[in-house]
Amino acid sequence: DVKVTQSSRYLVKRTGEKVFLECVQDMDHENMFWYRQDPGLGLRLIYFSYDVKMKEKGDIPEGYSVSREKKERFSLILESASTNQTSMYLCASSLLSLNTEAFFGQGTRLTVV
Amino acid sequence: ILNVEQSPQSLHVQEGDSTNFTCSFPSSNFYALHWYRWETAKSPEALFVMTLNGDEKKKGRISATLNTKEGYSYLYIKGSQPEDSATYLCARHTGNQFYFGTGTSLTVIP
Repeated sequence: DVKVTQSSRYLVKRTGEKVFLECVQDMDHENMFWYRQDPGLGLRLIYFSYDVKMKEKGDIPEGYSVSREKKERFSLILESASTNQTSMYLCASSLLSLNTEAFFGQGTRLTVV
Repeated sequence: ILNVEQSPQSLHVQEGDSTNFTCSFPSSNFYALHWYRWETAKSPEALFVMTLNGDEKKKGRISATLNTKEGYSYLYIKGSQPEDSATYLCARHTGNQFYFGTGTSLTVIP
């Protein structure tokens, strides 16, 4: 069974903290993605990576950075958490092929107080 | 223009009713169109991956059609059941990226 695992289901952090969200996939996928989901806005792409050490900005990269040191792991970093980063964060992975779907993690509900 | 739009935003139907949703997308540079089902407290899961104009896919009571020339896809659910309650997302796949719509939230009332 294919699997994308996010390190935390729920997280509460204080404003200004540096926050790490970890994602691991066991399918040897080239592509990995970080999205945030907010009511009425759908899934918005923060960053994606198509290879180790490669990263591309998505639609809303401000306030975030990413790291992909190994093929199976893609980390999202909030350099200085702010309350407007309170959201559901979803990690996904896929093959470099048009005919295959994205596989998602279970999501991390982050609250910044 | 990369926007993927879905309608309606939400839908309440009675158990046994059939229903359908719409996904519209820019028809230029089309590669693939995906449908996902996202149940509460679970991960989104793929229903269909569609690449050909006129393609029609079916999985049990759920089916989808694709018109790449005019830029829309329909998802149909026949005889809705409470377990069909979920948010249905469509996504335009351009190779490296998936562009998601805002989803249609379906509630099936027993």
